Amino acid sequence: LAKTTQPISMDSYEGQEVNITCSHNNIATNDYITWYQQFPSQGPRFIIQGYKTKVTNEVASLFIPADRKSSTLSLPRVSLSDTAVYYCLVGDIPGTGTASKLTFGTGTRLQVTL
Amino acid sequence: DSGVTQTPKHLITATGQRVTLRCSPRSGDLSVYWYQQSLDQGLQFLIQYYNGEERAKGNILERFSAQQFPDLHSELNLSSLELGDSALYFCASSARDRGTGGNTIYFGEGSWLTVV
Repeated sequence: LAKTTQPISMDSYEGQEVNITCSHNNIATNDYITWYQQFPSQGPRFIIQGYKTKVTNEVASLFIPADRKSSTLSLPRVSLSDTAVYYCLVGDIPGTGTASKLTFGTGTRLQVTL
Repeated sequence: DSGVTQTPKHLITATGQRVTLRCSPRSGDLSVYWYQQSLDQGLQFLIQYYNGEERAKGNILERFSAQQFPDLHSELNLSSLELGDSALYFCASSARDRGTGGNTIYFGEGSWLTVV
């Protein structure tokens, strides 16, 4: 999997838009970019996945520039309940029998306050 | 609800003992992954199975072993337990994302292991 770099932590006020950027300079052609959210003592939860350009779902948007060497997770109008660790995972996650040591980085700890 | 089921949710055991953690992947998912997460630590990949066969190994201790059964459920066996084995153990299974065409992994809620 491509090595990823994210900020260790970020702070935001409730109601603001939060953008978390992940760098992945050695992303491969077959790699997808997937973001997860993890609350304390819970399993990581899938947020969004993209390959190129922009993807939007009911929770977030994912912006991927043309060179795909970085990506930005955008959380609109965060609330206190968005306080969590956010992981960027870059790779070709196999649905087949391909071996894959899916390795998560350290993630970004987002703290939302009033 | 991710569709990945793990049991037990909590387990307390003594050092030197052996425990088995169980995982049922999402319906139809053939790949199962196991992760360990100690307090305030990141997710450490342990092992991957696909359709009953081991596919990839991470930093899994020799005291630990896993298997995936014909019905696709998986078990993680932890033996000769030490205090440092206390952690959250997650199971995940992979599936295709209909929106993007790529695959993604879905995690269970984890099994809390406390070794005393």
